[in-house]
Amino acid sequence: DVKVTQSSRYLVKRTGEKVFLECVQDMDHENMFWYRQDPGLGLRLIYFSYDVKMKEKGDIPEGYSVSREKKERFSLILESASTNQTSMYLCASSAPRGSKNTEAFFGQGTRLTVV
Amino acid sequence: RKEVEQDPGPFNVPEGATVAFNCTYSNSASQSFFWYRQDCRKEPKLLMSVYSSGNEDGRFTAQLNRASQYISLLIRDSKLSDSATYLCVVLTGGGNKLTFGTGTQLKVEL
Repeated sequence: DVKVTQSSRYLVKRTGEKVFLECVQDMDHENMFWYRQDPGLGLRLIYFSYDVKMKEKGDIPEGYSVSREKKERFSLILESASTNQTSMYLCASSAPRGSKNTEAFFGQGTRLTVV
Repeated sequence: RKEVEQDPGPFNVPEGATVAFNCTYSNSASQSFFWYRQDCRKEPKLLMSVYSSGNEDGRFTAQLNRASQYISLLIRDSKLSDSATYLCVVLTGGGNKLTFGTGTQLKVEL
């Protein structure tokens, strides 16, 4: 079974804090993703990575950065948290194009509140 | 235009009904297509992949129409447990970027 694990289910941080969200997958997947999910807006892609040290901006990268130093781990960083970054954050991983199965597997989500 | 568009619903249907959802995508180079299910306060989980020839899994049937750039999901004999949000997902960006629709909410009632 694929397992994608996010470090926290719930986080409360103060405005201006630097926030790290960690995600680890155990299926040796090349691709990893960070999404945020807000009511009425669905899942929006923040960043994704298709290999170690590689990253690409998604649709809403502003205010975020990422790090992929090891294949199994993909970190999302909020450089200076703001209240409009209060959201549910979902990490996912998938096998690359050309693989037999390319669907994404998700972590359980981190509900971040910035106060 | 959004890359992936879905009717948000909600679709309120009686138990036993047949319900269909459509999803349109804008990138004609999109390669793979999926339907995910998301329960309240849970992460999305794969319901089924969508193949060009169409595919069926029990009460669920998925279809792909590349010419018109839409995919569909048909649920027959709806159960209360089918109540969830159904997300349309498209693989683009050279085959590595997964883009989600905003989801269609289904409520199956007695």
